Amino acid sequence: AQKVTQAQTEISVVEKEDVTLDCVYETRDTTYYLFWYKQPPSGELVFLIRRNSFDEQNEISGRYSWNFQKSTSSFNFTITASQVVDSAVYFCALSENSGGSNYKLTFGKGTLLTVNP
Amino acid sequence: ETGVTQTPRHLVMGMTNKKSLKCEQHLGHNAMYWYKQSAKKPLELMFVYSLEERVENNSVPSRFSPECPNSSHLFLHLHTLQPEDSALYLCASSRLPAQEQYFGPGTRLTVT
Repeated sequence: AQKVTQAQTEISVVEKEDVTLDCVYETRDTTYYLFWYKQPPSGELVFLIRRNSFDEQNEISGRYSWNFQKSTSSFNFTITASQVVDSAVYFCALSENSGGSNYKLTFGKGTLLTVNP
Repeated sequence: ETGVTQTPRHLVMGMTNKKSLKCEQHLGHNAMYWYKQSAKKPLELMFVYSLEERVENNSVPSRFSPECPNSSHLFLHLHTLQPEDSALYLCASSRLPAQEQYFGPGTRLTVT
């Protein structure tokens, strides 16, 4: 079973639409970390947010917002009023303890978001 | 401007060549990582170094050999690669292993 599932392989929207990218994770750890990364066509992964397992507060940063629900093991990402520059592959990732003080980051397969003008 | 740089950005090599990929981080981080990203697979973690010590090797073939001479530099030495090794190789660093990783721009490797 996948540890991080991004069920949406591709999403296409028109500019100014809101769009939500889904992420469901699986872990037995009580302490873990969740991340979202953006990979534009240039290829470089850009860190967007980190959420600790013990902090379920949702977060808003400009047009971006994140909804963390431990009860459903989900960490969804919403872009409000999407823009063409938001077109990218978005990755959700889970960091779990892999022994001692070491952590392993597991990525989902990514969601390709295309925002059309 | 990224705090993680990678060279070269593009590399074409034959199967008998030896080459090295270089990564440098200017963020004062203590952990560094190599990932492989190929077209039909999710991002694959290859190696993890924490405080210059290799802490993870994800069953990577021996034709890939990492080296971490200090906390700011990470190398990936390549030898007798196969065409299926063609991919984007990404380097990342983080302050501590549990924290967010910052990625370099990657090296696009083509093995002919």
